[in-house]
Amino acid sequence: GDSVTQMEGPVTLSEEAFLTINCTYTATGYPSLFWYVQYPGEGLQLLLKATKADDKGSNKGFEATYRKETTSFHLEKGSVQVSDSAVYFCALKNSGYALNFGKGTSLLVTP
Amino acid sequence: EPEVTQTPSHQVTQMGQEVILRCVPISNHLYFYWYRQILGQKVEFLVSFYNNEISEKSEIFDDQFSVERPDGSNFTLKIRSTKLEDSAMYFCASAGLEETQYFGPGTRLLVL
Repeated sequence: GDSVTQMEGPVTLSEEAFLTINCTYTATGYPSLFWYVQYPGEGLQLLLKATKADDKGSNKGFEATYRKETTSFHLEKGSVQVSDSAVYFCALKNSGYALNFGKGTSLLVTP
Repeated sequence: EPEVTQTPSHQVTQMGQEVILRCVPISNHLYFYWYRQILGQKVEFLVSFYNNEISEKSEIFDDQFSVERPDGSNFTLKIRSTKLEDSAMYFCASAGLEETQYFGPGTRLLVL
């Protein structure tokens, strides 16, 4: 079945550092890919999405490119802020209704 | 900006009791979902609901669970007889025609 694998956390970075959170997936067909973010004590917020190969999703300085050849959707940000501290979830949606989430990667940004 | 709301934010119940978790999806959305997140684990799909019926459900969504859209605005998840392992954060989500899912803030359920 479909699955999403994310890099293990926690990831700790200093403010203004470059961020990469790796996400790879296994799926048949052509899934849509998503990054959701969960800030402490809050629910899941959609961060960005891509619906087909080579699409780049972007929002709030975060970017991810749908790479079908490597089945990846890595999240990047050029300069992180303390306020980016959160848990980041990669997810895919295939032909059904359900989102299939990775385990999440916790990010802590220190001043 | 429209958002999904959920009530209550926290619920504590005794094992064996029935609980109803409530959600108000975004008003023009057509697809409705419940997910859960057991502490420290990944978010898991429970059920999707479209056109007044269940469109997909996971293995977790057994006979103890039911969903309902009683009045055209609310969307509820009922757990008939709660078990300790039902303790989790429950998220409601809704989606429009483009099927991007927007999540509520969650209800934290604790079964004692």
